[in-house]
Amino acid sequence: DTGVSQNPRHKITKRGQNVTFRCDPISEHNRLYWYRQTLGQGPEFLTYFQNEAQLEKSRLLSDRFSAERPKGSFSTLEIQRTEQGDSAMYLCASSPTSNNEQFFGPGTRLTVL
Amino acid sequence: ILNVEQSPQSLHVQEGDSTNFTCSFPSSNFYALHWYRWETAKSPEALFVMTLNGDEKKKGRISATLNTKEGYSYLYIKGSQPEDSATYLCAFGGSTDSWGKLQFGAGTQVVVTP
Repeated sequence: DTGVSQNPRHKITKRGQNVTFRCDPISEHNRLYWYRQTLGQGPEFLTYFQNEAQLEKSRLLSDRFSAERPKGSFSTLEIQRTEQGDSAMYLCASSPTSNNEQFFGPGTRLTVL
Repeated sequence: ILNVEQSPQSLHVQEGDSTNFTCSFPSSNFYALHWYRWETAKSPEALFVMTLNGDEKKKGRISATLNTKEGYSYLYIKGSQPEDSATYLCAFGGSTDSWGKLQFGAGTQVVVTP
């Protein structure tokens, strides 16, 4: 598989529950990004990793959100105590160091009831 | 312009017709302008990365132009086909975020009818 994969593709949860999403980037890509898209909007940047280091974090990422990339390969995004406003499509993208073309996964659609 | 804006929000095209739509972005601190095509239930697919003022890029029946001085880019689809139906997103990369943060527009949804 040469593309970016994300799991799960869909997640329905109740308000207050914790959820975790996984992103597997293209294997040789050092850079990994998380974006969030809500209805009628374009994707919004959440956070960026270069290898295992989280180098940038948006103000959109509240304290309830945490992302990791422990070995510089896959990444996880965890949302604690989910709220209805967290309902969105969460997209992961990866990029080689040499240029900034980003390759996206299919996203995880989160619905918080 | 501080944000990335795309117009129109949606358009319907008859099969065989050509169409175009616009992306407006900040004209300062420009680094790169990306175009993506996003079909329902699929991953956004990169179409073009454009970095030079006056750049024109082409991929099959789809082409794009770039004007960094006035802050706009056009995407053209020639002889639209039903498989061109998708949302087309543009994304601005600023020089202060040259490590890759992209600022996306809301997209133009294209529906091509046979």
